[in-house]
Amino acid sequence: QSALTQPASVSGSPGQSITISCTGTSSDVGSYNYVSWYQQHPGKAPKLMIYDVSARPSGVSNRFSGSKSGNTASLTISGLQAEDEADYYCSSYTSISTYVFGTGTKVTVL
Amino acid sequence: EVQLVESGGGLVQPGGSLRLSCATSGFTFVSYGMSWVRQAPGKGLEWVSSITGGGGHTYYADSVKGRFTVSRDNSRNALYLQMNSLRADDTAVYYCARSSGWPFYFDYWGQGTLVTVSS
Repeated sequence: QSALTQPASVSGSPGQSITISCTGTSSDVGSYNYVSWYQQHPGKAPKLMIYDVSARPSGVSNRFSGSKSGNTASLTISGLQAEDEADYYCSSYTSISTYVFGTGTKVTVL
Repeated sequence: EVQLVESGGGLVQPGGSLRLSCATSGFTFVSYGMSWVRQAPGKGLEWVSSITGGGGHTYYADSVKGRFTVSRDNSRNALYLQMNSLRADDTAVYYCARSSGWPFYFDYWGQGTLVTVSS
């Protein structure tokens, strides 16, 4: 199972909105509404930000939102803040009952 | 407060074995699936294995199938990963993650334990 494709880096200025894409196939992202997103600061454990494409766990800022169209899922961060600078990974359930992560995106706040 | 604490990592020679443990607290352990996710140095996340709450169903990535075994002890609120026939490309930080819903999403993570496979 190949990793989902994410851009290596995305950047934006404070207050702006950015969107991270996550492209899979019809065997994962395209077939299931089971995409999740994780934030990871350097040297720290990942943190769940979005699950089931667009659901937000309790305690996660509503500046984070998720969506999906076809084989591509997206994470949007609105009102970008310095604390949002981190690596972000998507993940999807697959047709063979496994899970696949994305290649990861480094978000830089300019 | 949900807490996950991994242990058992270390340096092992190629072909060797290691058993990782994950001690949990702060939630009803048997009610949740659990998973292992690893991250090679400087690389991205890779799902390794999952187990359902009752332990009756297990799932593995192709890269570890036949070499790794996931298990849990619901009386001890603990998760395990037995790793055999270790290879250099198994070198990574191994995270245990509480797994909610079905299919799973990984809602709480431990701090990880480093496994280094090298001669």
